[in-house]
Amino acid sequence: AQSVTQPDIHITVSEGASLELRCNYSYGATPYLFWYVQSPGQGLQLLLKYFSGDTLVQGIKGFEAEFKRSQSSFNLRKPSVHWSDAAEYFCAVAPSWGKFQFGAGTQVVVTP
Amino acid sequence: SQTIHQWPATLVQPVGSPLSLECTVEGTSNPNLYWYRQAAGRGLQLLFYSVGIGQISSEVPQNLSASRPQDRQFILSSKKLLLSDSGFYLCAWREQRPSGANVLTFGAGSRLTVL
Repeated sequence: AQSVTQPDIHITVSEGASLELRCNYSYGATPYLFWYVQSPGQGLQLLLKYFSGDTLVQGIKGFEAEFKRSQSSFNLRKPSVHWSDAAEYFCAVAPSWGKFQFGAGTQVVVTP
Repeated sequence: SQTIHQWPATLVQPVGSPLSLECTVEGTSNPNLYWYRQAAGRGLQLLFYSVGIGQISSEVPQNLSASRPQDRQFILSSKKLLLSDSGFYLCAWREQRPSGANVLTFGAGSRLTVL
């Protein structure tokens, strides 16, 4: 069965510092991989997705993620965070057109 | 472009009362539709999904039901709410395979508080 692990429940980062959110998945083949962001009281917004090809994926809001098959990881990064990046971030996997499996989420707090 | 609407945005209901949350999608046809729930401090739980009118699959046995009376309308209901039904409910849609984009698009959510 597929699964997604986001090891960090909560991360605090200073504004202007870099951010990396970890995501590990378990699946027999290469699934489709996604990162979503959720601001308080809002729905989830797609940041980026990986289906195939280049393992470094660029997304919206200056985010990027790198797929590493050997590590079964799909970590999200941003070189310099802004206060508006404070939100909850969800990694998700889906086997081709199968059901999405979401991680438990990582809450990001940005300090001045 | 496609848009997804959910309402009401916020709902406070007494235990034992009925529930109806509605979701509609515009700008597409024959979408796959989903209801998720987020309990406080927890991740997303898939409740129901639908691949067509009248076709509902339930993921978790519970006090809730779903219906799809029209192609782009998805309704979440309960006859008698429980305290444990409190949470943030998210509707989402995805295009049908194989030519559609394999991306879930979410509505803004409905916050339900059962007292």
